[in-house]
Amino acid sequence: DAGVTQSPTHLIKTRGQQVTLRCSPKSGHDTVSWYQQALGQGPQFIFQYYEEEERQRGNFPDRFSGHQFPNYSSELNVNALLLGDSALYLCASSLQASQKGTDTQYFGPGTRLTVL
Amino acid sequence: GDSVTQMEGPVTLSEEAFLTINCTYTATGYPSLFWYVQYPGEGLQLLLKATKADDKGSNKGFEATYRKETTSFHLEKGSVQVSDSAVYFCALLKTSYDKVIFGPGTSLSVIP
Repeated sequence: DAGVTQSPTHLIKTRGQQVTLRCSPKSGHDTVSWYQQALGQGPQFIFQYYEEEERQRGNFPDRFSGHQFPNYSSELNVNALLLGDSALYLCASSLQASQKGTDTQYFGPGTRLTVL
Repeated sequence: GDSVTQMEGPVTLSEEAFLTINCTYTATGYPSLFWYVQYPGEGLQLLLKATKADDKGSNKGFEATYRKETTSFHLEKGSVQVSDSAVYFCALLKTSYDKVIFGPGTSLSVIP
């Protein structure tokens, strides 16, 4: 059973450029959440996608946008990159369920983005 | 708002020492509680979880008990190994359509 996969592993961009990161959820999962983890800090929630719609959003500007496809995979897009966008971007997948305890989020290995 | 607090690191222990990493939370309702581990240069791995009061999560020799009366979820291991060196994050989740709220992380170094 494949876990959460993300691509690419590493990425180097310059200020002002745009970037797209990709995520495939764990088999059987239908919900994808994205997090940004700056060096030495805990992950911060960017947004969550379910049924191809953004359902909840953290405190991130509109430069951060996303998409979920019918096969539940997801993309994170960041426009007009800033130096401060350099971070590890983590994707997490989960299953929508009303039953408590089945909503655990499983994380991928992350994409390390460096903005120069 | 909801939050997670955990002990400041870094923590340095000798191999086979006893480990405790303290974690307390603030949340309305009855969240699920988690410990995630991050090895150098990697993503987050789920270490263990507990979904209700007095539940004990355990995995790979690590244990944590959901204590609602003290709003705590302390991580323990009886005998650490060098391979346990990593950053440990305590976290909570309230519903399936919610975000995971993480503590700041505790860095653990185990020396031979």
